[in-house]
Amino acid sequence: TQLLEQSPQFLSIQEGENLTVYCNSSSVFSSLQWYRQEPGEGPVLLVTVVTGGEVKKLKRLTFQFGDARKDSSLHITAAQPGDTGLYLCAGARGGATNKLIFGTGTLLAVQP
Amino acid sequence: DTAVSQTPKYLVTQMGNDKSIKCEQNLGHDTMYWYKQDSKKFLKIMFSYNNKELIINETVPNRFSPKSPDKAHLNLHINSLELGDSAVYFCASDLAGGRETQYFGPGTRLLVL
Repeated sequence: TQLLEQSPQFLSIQEGENLTVYCNSSSVFSSLQWYRQEPGEGPVLLVTVVTGGEVKKLKRLTFQFGDARKDSSLHITAAQPGDTGLYLCAGARGGATNKLIFGTGTLLAVQP
Repeated sequence: DTAVSQTPKYLVTQMGNDKSIKCEQNLGHDTMYWYKQDSKKFLKIMFSYNNKELIINETVPNRFSPKSPDKAHLNLHINSLELGDSAVYFCASDLAGGRETQYFGPGTRLLVL
């Protein structure tokens, strides 16, 4: 079973703080995605990284794919209450089935 | 416009009953999925259909039977419901081919009593 471990599992911070969420695996993935899920909703894609070492920025969010394509990180600068949610990484092996292996999740709460 | 819709949103039922969940996507995608999210928020794929053909079938009890009448619909029928089936079930869709974005529905919250 390919397992994607996320850390930390839970994170409660004050508005304005910075944070980093990690997603680690022993398996290589062709691409890695990050999703955010809000209560009562389905996951929504934030970004896809496909090249080892790739860094993508989405406003205050910075995503990095490890050189070996086994791990990834999500860094949020100056967190806001609207960033609150469950963050999920998901690795894909590619191909026709596009089967995603989801990470264990990081529940983030940003207090105003 | 709703991209991926599921019905019902909530489902409360007794152990042993049979129930169905429906999913429809209006994105023109040819691949649809069913995921189960447990109480610890772990999201795991159950099934995937591409153009009405089953292409992913994870280790799921055979009480669960997906059916795809056309590529815009993927339903999930569950026989003899058990307490452990309580979870949130998500439908998703995408264009087959690897790096495409999967779009998720709002989820169906199933509670088996």
